[in-house]
Amino acid sequence: NAGVTQTPKFQVLKTGQSMTLQCAQDMNHEYMSWYRQDPGMGLRLIHYSVGAGITDQGEVPNGYNVSRSTTEDFPLRLLSAAPSQTSVYFCASSYSNRLDRIPYEQYFGPGTRLTVT
Amino acid sequence: SQQGEEDPQALSIQEGENATMNCSYKTSINNLQWYRQNSGRGLVHLILIRSNEREKHSGRLRVTLDTSKKSSSLLITASRAADTASYFCATDFSIRGGSGGGADGLTFGKGTHLIIQP
Repeated sequence: NAGVTQTPKFQVLKTGQSMTLQCAQDMNHEYMSWYRQDPGMGLRLIHYSVGAGITDQGEVPNGYNVSRSTTEDFPLRLLSAAPSQTSVYFCASSYSNRLDRIPYEQYFGPGTRLTVT
Repeated sequence: SQQGEEDPQALSIQEGENATMNCSYKTSINNLQWYRQNSGRGLVHLILIRSNEREKHSGRLRVTLDTSKKSSSLLITASRAADTASYFCATDFSIRGGSGGGADGLTFGKGTHLIIQP
């Protein structure tokens, strides 16, 4: 199993450009999420999904969109990049029962380091 | 908002010694998890302790949870150079508030940076 994969590993964008960060998992996990990690901060939840066709906002969703058309894939789209979005982005997946909606052990991807100039 | 806070922010010890780091959180939880992050890498899950558990062991790791004090500790015994990393506690939380019940995701503290001196 590849686990959670993310592409690209590094990306430099100019202010105003858009792009999509890719995330895929092969563990048949229902729950997937996107976090950003900034220096001196913990991870902050951007968006999450409890299953295909279902997405919801996390703590810091502004400027980002997500979609979940399949169980495996959960892309994160930056609509119009801003310097404040310079960060390391992590995708994670886990088992989460749809009834209790409690995320358990998270499997993280290797991250995408994004710089917006 | 970040619910978990680790203490200390940084810890440097000699190889072979034990390392203890603490986590405090604010609202009720379903479970608390500890993760390790090596420099430039993704986080790796270490251990999960449920709100009705008080102590859990996994290899050289020992985690305690005190829900009355809203705190947890992670003990790494007989430390090795390979344990050098940042350690984060994470608790489940609900975006819209409320206690217990379902959760939207995990909230992470800022981490404890552990350095093991050879």
